Amino acid sequence: EVQLLESGGGLVQPGGSLRLSCAASGFTFSSYAMSWVRQAPGKGLEWVSAISASGGRTYYADSVKGRFTISRDNSKNTLYLQMNSLRAEDTAEFYCAKDLTTVTIGYFHYWGQGALVTVSS
Amino acid sequence: QSALTQPASVSGSPGQSITISCTGTSSDVGGYNYVSWYQQHPGKAPKLMIYDVSNRPSGVPDRFSGSKSANTASLTISGLQAEDEADYYCSSYTSSSTPYVFGTGTKVTVL
Repeated sequence: EVQLLESGGGLVQPGGSLRLSCAASGFTFSSYAMSWVRQAPGKGLEWVSAISASGGRTYYADSVKGRFTISRDNSKNTLYLQMNSLRAEDTAEFYCAKDLTTVTIGYFHYWGQGALVTVSS
Repeated sequence: QSALTQPASVSGSPGQSITISCTGTSSDVGGYNYVSWYQQHPGKAPKLMIYDVSNRPSGVPDRFSGSKSANTASLTISGLQAEDEADYYCSSYTSSSTPYVFGTGTKVTVL
């Protein structure tokens, strides 16, 4: 059974940093692209970042480019999102998602339960 | 990159068919067959319902179907059931600097 478990969310002040982790199990983690998608309270989905299976290619939304860094450790079956210079508008539930097949990027097949990030003073 | 445009709400009676539209541009929906649809129940993570415009992942009922014409993609739910009441989001690859974009979301109500 595919499982994705996010951790690292919490309350942080504007300008602060936070690192989210997503522990994966139930599939060959190193074979699939992974993504982060967020959802502000009461709002719609927003794609944030993606990383290829090997970690060699990364992609970012303009809204987080230069502030967020996606990475993965295939030996630990874990996906990360390092978030710096956080703003109030980054407040959201952050989901990690596994792609549909070993050759696709951008089809979010399995999702974690989410990690809430709140940016407030 | 702006979000793709969806109607805020769509409703139908059990057994009826409804269609949700997702309008973009030639830089996203119209330019690529990389359109997907997601269902999200309140308090839950989204679920992939359609990919590559019209393909269903394993386990998704065939009541759900997708199509595309020019810059508009559509999700049709046939034989509407109570459990279909949820929010639905389309998504597309884009040629912009933000490579993936979601739609604004549509709340489906089963009357």
